[in-house]
Amino acid sequence: GAGVSQSPRYKVTKRGQDVALRCDPISGHVSLYWYRQALGQGPEFLTYFNYEAQQDKSGLPNDRFSAERPEGSISTLTIQRTEQRDSAMYRCASSLEGPGYEQYFGPGTRLTVT
Amino acid sequence: DAKTTQPPSMDCAEGRAANLPCNHSTISGNEYVYWYRQIHSQGPQYIIHGLKNNETNEMASLIITEDRKSSTLILPHATLRDTAVYYCIVRVAMNSGGYQKVTFGTGTKLQVIP
Repeated sequence: GAGVSQSPRYKVTKRGQDVALRCDPISGHVSLYWYRQALGQGPEFLTYFNYEAQQDKSGLPNDRFSAERPEGSISTLTIQRTEQRDSAMYRCASSLEGPGYEQYFGPGTRLTVT
Repeated sequence: DAKTTQPPSMDCAEGRAANLPCNHSTISGNEYVYWYRQIHSQGPQYIIHGLKNNETNEMASLIITEDRKSSTLILPHATLRDTAVYYCIVRVAMNSGGYQKVTFGTGTKLQVIP
């Protein structure tokens, strides 16, 4: 079946612009996660949704970052007034609900802020 | 979350078993040990997980010490395609809703040598 999909795969934007990154989880997966990954580092947790509820946003670096999942399926990560330090790979993952279920990762969106 | 410690890099000859260690000395009784790997720029891929018993699947075996303070991932016959960064993660299950915050470290870069 289809895996986690993300769009766009690559995004180049100028500093100060807003960007919206989309994640389409595996059908039936109620848990959805956003991560950011810098080159040579492991994924860094940003936020977590269970259905449409954002249960943990402790990893969002500042208030320019926000995420939503209004219908409990597709999620959007929005970065306002982008800065060069926001350049990274942004990854989405989904899983079934409950302990013991592994996360399935999407291909990521490579964001470059110039 | 309990922290994990892994060697930054390891080499393994093709066809030999690769044994990747992980220390998680502060693990709690209800925390699972998970292993993921990341090949080049792809998203992390689930390998295996366990609570306290040893586990085996088609990809690997997971050996957890009796005190659960360390574990070893075993790839029985490493191939060149197993060259990747391997992450050992201890996962917190927060509540009955199954919140699964995952904290990745920097992992072990395994190089399989022909």
